[in-house]
Amino acid sequence: GAVVSQHPSWVICKSGTSVKIECRSLDFQATTMFWYRQFPKQSLMLMATSNEGSKATYEQGVEKDKFLINHASLTLSTLTVTSAHPEDSSFYICSAARTASSYNSPLHFGNGTRLTVT
Amino acid sequence: GQQVMQIPQYQHVQEGEDFTTYCNSSTTLSNIQWYKQRPGGHPVFLIQLVKSGEVKKQKRLTFQFGEAKKNSSLHITATQTTDVGTYFCAGPVVTGGSYIPTFGRGTSLIVHP
Repeated sequence: GAVVSQHPSWVICKSGTSVKIECRSLDFQATTMFWYRQFPKQSLMLMATSNEGSKATYEQGVEKDKFLINHASLTLSTLTVTSAHPEDSSFYICSAARTASSYNSPLHFGNGTRLTVT
Repeated sequence: GQQVMQIPQYQHVQEGEDFTTYCNSSTTLSNIQWYKQRPGGHPVFLIQLVKSGEVKKQKRLTFQFGEAKKNSSLHITATQTTDVGTYFCAGPVVTGGSYIPTFGRGTSLIVHP
C-alpha cells in the first residue's frame, strides 16, 4: 500500500486564491521531504527540500514567498501555493525517504496533486 | 553544476522489441536509482545500484551501473504494452553541502501493439 499520502489529488481554484497541499508519510518518520513540480511530459523539477523543524531549502528560481513549505511534524509537510495564477497550474508531487540518509534510500512518492488555476 | 542526463527522451517500439535508456552523470555517483512513472501516475521506485559494474535483473528488466559509477542503463527485453511509461534515473548530487536526489529528464516508452 501507499507509504506516502498526498492530498488533495486534484484542485481547481480561482486566480488569486491560495491552495494547500499535504504530504504525509504513513508508516515512517520523514525528517526530509522533497517537493517537485512536473509539467506535462517533462521531468520532475525539484522545488524545495522540506526539513522537519527548520526552514525549507528552495531551489534556485523558486519563490519561497509564493510556495510556502511547512514541515511541522515528522510525518507531515505542506506546500501552500499563495496567490495562485494560471501559470502555477501544474502537477505537484512530494516524496520522502524512509531513512534519514535520503541520498541512498529509495524515494516514496505521493500520488501527486493536479492544480488548475482558472 | 552537477547534472544527471538521460537519453533518449522518447522511444517508440513495436511490442516484442527491446528498449534501452541511458543515464549519465557529470560526476561519480554513490548510487543510482531507477523509477517508473505510468501515464497519469506518480514515480515508483524500481531498483537501486550501488557497486561499480553492478548488474541487476528484474524479470525482463536489466539494470547496469558503469565501472566509473558515472553512467547507467535500463534495458527491457521483449517489451509489452504494460511497460509503457516514463523511466527516470536519479542520483544523489551534492547541492549546497547536502545530497539531493536529482532526476534525469526521463525516457518515455511507447509500445505499439
